[in-house]
Amino acid sequence: SQKIEQNSEALNIQEGKTATLTCNYTNYSPAYLQWYRQDPGRGPVFLLLIRENEKEKRKERLKVTFDTTLKQSLFHITASQPADSATYLCALDSGGSNYKLTFGKGTLLTVNP
Amino acid sequence: NAGVTQTPKFQVLKTGQSMTLQCAQDMNHNSMYWYRQDPGMGLRLIYYSASEGTTDKGEVPNGYNVSRLNKREFSLRLESAAPSQTSVYFCASAGDLKETQYFGPGTRLLVL
Repeated sequence: SQKIEQNSEALNIQEGKTATLTCNYTNYSPAYLQWYRQDPGRGPVFLLLIRENEKEKRKERLKVTFDTTLKQSLFHITASQPADSATYLCALDSGGSNYKLTFGKGTLLTVNP
Repeated sequence: NAGVTQTPKFQVLKTGQSMTLQCAQDMNHNSMYWYRQDPGMGLRLIYYSASEGTTDKGEVPNGYNVSRLNKREFSLRLESAAPSQTSVYFCASAGDLKETQYFGPGTRLLVL
């Protein structure tokens, strides 16, 4: 069966360091992978999308890599700030004609000042 | 532009009661979705609607029904609430590019 795993439930880092979050998947051939941010008591907010033929995508301090051979995506936040503290979700399209996403369980990132 | 709105924000029900969660979007999106989010389980798709007039089951549809009233509105109904349906419910929509999903603020439901 299809499975998405975000390896860490929680990650604590010091302000200014680079946070690296991992998303692994099995039994998928996704056309693309997405990352969302979720703050407590709020709905997820889209951050970045990377397609299967792209190795890396950047947006400001965010960088996403996508390795379809390893079936893995890495999400990096450089020069992290306490305001980056949130839960980060990866999501894969489930394939087929109807557009559906399957989400990982998320990683809670805490950036300590 | 309000995006995706959900009502109510919070609801307490007794076992066996029914209720409808409302969702509306003002982005002219064709696709709409209902998810539930539980601790340790992540977001799970309940039902979705690829276009007005169509609905399909997601991963966890049992105990729920949906109605795509028009292009803007997609409601989720619990006919006979159970404690296992205590959760946070999110509605989302997506445009024709079918890439990014836009989420509402959620409805927190407690079934006693």
